[in-house]
Amino acid sequence: EDQVTQSPEALRLQEGESSSLNCSYTVSGLRGLFWYRQDPGKGPEFLFTLYSAGEEKEKERLKATLTKKESFLHITAPKPEDSATYLCAVQATGSARQLTFGSGTQLTVLP
Amino acid sequence: DAGVIQSPRHEVTEMGQEVTLRCKPISGHDYLFWYRQTMMRGLELLIYFNNNVPIDDSGMPEDRFSAKMPNASFSTLKIQPSEPRDSAVYFCASTEGGFGSQYFGPGTRLTVL
Repeated sequence: EDQVTQSPEALRLQEGESSSLNCSYTVSGLRGLFWYRQDPGKGPEFLFTLYSAGEEKEKERLKATLTKKESFLHITAPKPEDSATYLCAVQATGSARQLTFGSGTQLTVLP
Repeated sequence: DAGVIQSPRHEVTEMGQEVTLRCKPISGHDYLFWYRQTMMRGLELLIYFNNNVPIDDSGMPEDRFSAKMPNASFSTLKIQPSEPRDSAVYFCASTEGGFGSQYFGPGTRLTVL
């Protein structure tokens, strides 16, 4: 059974204080690992897809990296508008199309 | 594109009543997914369709839940009868080809009293 564990559950940062969120996964074969951002009262918003170990993707202050067992979402010099819950999900190889989500990391960036 | 559209955005009902949630996927997307999100269990897949055909409904909690997709632009998730433990946010998502990122709607917040 595919499993995704995210840590920490919650993270409070001062504006400009860089940090990383962790996503550990167990999957029989990884087709893709996805990062989403979810704001309160809204649906998850797609950020990145990573397909193979060593791959990196960047968008503004966010950079996602992937190893064979985990992924990191690095946040550089965060701003209050980066406050949200960040979700990680995996899609396994094979014919199934479903994503398995982690429970998320709730990030708060204080001004 | 307007993105995935869900209605209603909020639904409050009493235990035992029938509830119908609606979803319009992004045009051209051939996969549609229904998820449920709660604080305790996070985001869980309920069922997904490919070209209007249900492919995997193993996440549907019990027979009280049913989902249909009569055409490529419309799907419903029905709960009959509803129970307080069904209270959650229900999301619909769609994608093209099934592999890769899924695009989520704004969700329906269901409260069963």
